[in-house]
Amino acid sequence: QKEVEQDPGPLSVPEGAIVSLNCTYSNSAFQYFMWYRQYSRKGPELLMYTYSSGNKEDGRFTAQVDKSSKYISLFIRDSQPSDSATYLCAPLMNRDDKIIFGKGTRLHILP
Amino acid sequence: GAVVSQHPSWVICKSGTSVKIECRSLDFQATTMFWYRQFPKQSLMLMATSNEGSKATYEQGVEKDKFLINHASLTLSTLTVTSAHPEDSSFYICSARDLTGEKPQHFGDGTRLSIL
Repeated sequence: QKEVEQDPGPLSVPEGAIVSLNCTYSNSAFQYFMWYRQYSRKGPELLMYTYSSGNKEDGRFTAQVDKSSKYISLFIRDSQPSDSATYLCAPLMNRDDKIIFGKGTRLHILP
Repeated sequence: GAVVSQHPSWVICKSGTSVKIECRSLDFQATTMFWYRQFPKQSLMLMATSNEGSKATYEQGVEKDKFLINHASLTLSTLTVTSAHPEDSSFYICSARDLTGEKPQHFGDGTRLSIL
């Protein structure tokens, strides 16, 4: 079983919709959960990170972690065409660990 | 905010030549930097961890003699692709670990390498 699983998509949704992006992981030792956004031909950009279980909100973005089911989610409200990108989740044991990225989910927001 | 700069952003060269890519942390010191490679429509693959003043640590399957890494200062790491061939054409991205900032790593904008 891979450490991190994400549906690669592409996921296409109309502008203004709520987007739900999900990851599952296998290692129960993960404590930090990062979400990165990568636009085409650019480096990844850290959107949010959470420690342990629970929710964290930042503007239109909400990150949710359920450690009991090893499931992490990123919700985007009022989605915009500029949100079209690849979203990568990255769970880590320690904040400063090297990041092994999964496949990511390609998101298209349709105007 | 903290910025990581990569240079060049795009390079095209002939097969057999060596290409050097620079990664600089502009306003923080980075004892550790990471090098990734990304093929079209695939995710980033970690190649190696670059440590200031010591040898790089390569991931399994990455040829250390092919991809030379030098991290001679706290703000600069370089990746040299030696005797590059068309199959080395890819998008190379570096990141720098920031131990004091809010974000644990900062990524550069990548270097597109095309070998003819």
